[in-house]
Amino acid sequence: AQRVTQPEKLLSVFKGAPVELKCNYSYSGSPELFWYVQYSRQRLQLLLRHISRESIKGFTADLNKGETSFHLKKPFAQEEDSAMYYCALRLGKTSGSRLTFGEGTQLTVNP
Amino acid sequence: GAVVSQHPSWVICKSGTSVKIECRSLDFQATTMFWYRQFPKQSLMLMATSNEGSKATYEQGVEKDKFLINHASLTLSTLTVTSAHPEDSSFYICSARHAYEQYFGPGTRLTVT
Repeated sequence: AQRVTQPEKLLSVFKGAPVELKCNYSYSGSPELFWYVQYSRQRLQLLLRHISRESIKGFTADLNKGETSFHLKKPFAQEEDSAMYYCALRLGKTSGSRLTFGEGTQLTVNP
Repeated sequence: GAVVSQHPSWVICKSGTSVKIECRSLDFQATTMFWYRQFPKQSLMLMATSNEGSKATYEQGVEKDKFLINHASLTLSTLTVTSAHPEDSSFYICSARHAYEQYFGPGTRLTVT
């Protein structure tokens, strides 16, 4: 069965420092990978997906199939980036394809 | 953008009673909705996949007779926690698929006393 692992439950950096949130997955095929973010007292929302290859709010993530990783990176963290981040995997595009979430990483960006 | 709402946002009920949580897609139709449970500072655990007009698909370990799911229309799915107990206290989140993307509701905080 597919699995998503986020090894860091808590991550604390200072404003302006680079940040990397790690995500590893286990699946033999070609899944879709996502990063979701949950700001304090707000709903979960999509941050970015690997197929888009885009940068959102300064964040990027590259899918490394060899290492089965999808780490989230930002070169200069901002205080407003403080939130809970979830890496997620989806096996297919059909309507029933569900997301499998990692355990999440709580990012705190200190002033 | 696609918006998913949940009602109520929080509910307190007594042990042994049942409580219904509604999930609505406000500006799109959703043939598939998902129900998750989230414990404090933990991940979202998928409970079941709700399909409009058919029975829900429950994840292993989730009691279908305790967590009743009804997806009666393309914009509404309901989760009923029957005979609730304190251990059912949790944050319940629904999401709906739209254009290959999942949109999440704000969640419902259930406290069983």
